Amino acid sequence: SAVISQKPSRDICQRGTSLTIQCQVDSQVTMMFWYRQQPGQSLTLIATANQGSEATYESGFVIDKFPISRPNLTFSTLTVSNMSPEDSSIYLCSSPNGNEQFFGPGTRLTVL
Amino acid sequence: AQKITQTQPGMFVQEKEAVTLDCTYDTSDPSYGLFWYKQPSSGEMIFLIYQGSYDQQNATEGRYSLNFQKARKSANLVISASQLGDSAMYFCAMREGHGGDDKIIFGKGTRLHILP
Repeated sequence: SAVISQKPSRDICQRGTSLTIQCQVDSQVTMMFWYRQQPGQSLTLIATANQGSEATYESGFVIDKFPISRPNLTFSTLTVSNMSPEDSSIYLCSSPNGNEQFFGPGTRLTVL
Repeated sequence: AQKITQTQPGMFVQEKEAVTLDCTYDTSDPSYGLFWYKQPSSGEMIFLIYQGSYDQQNATEGRYSLNFQKARKSANLVISASQLGDSAMYFCAMREGHGGDDKIIFGKGTRLHILP
């Protein structure tokens, strides 16, 4: 199975600020995925990050709010910009390994 | 329309009993994959089992098995001999398409409580 790490594991931020979440995979992968899980909810896909091209965002998510970088085949960042309390969620990155798909441990974000 | 439906928001099961968590899905793509994940209170998403749409046999992984009924578009998770540590949120998910590079979408989840 793929080993995926995320930093930070949790953070408490003030509204109006930005937070960048890092995701590292232990093997080279073409696609990385960023998900959001709001409190008590299921996972919602934010965007798909393909190395060497712009990320593809799902309906309801925009690049200005959630800019993503994918500088190489093992690393990606997601920035949550101009945060509000509604952004309080767990943010998870994910990547496939063959047919299976694995997740990082998540970043638990609280916005005050 | 929902593509993944989990009709059981919560379940209580006695320890050592078998558990079946329901999942139905909707797709017109002949090639797809079905997943089950466990999410304990720590928040991590633990991959449990995968079933491809063309797989002839039901997938099994230790105490987990996936009861795949293609005609009924059903992919129930069966946990045999439940343990207290099985208490968690369980998500069914689907990937449409043949490759691992396609996105996965999730159902709303079922919270499983194992009683001592």
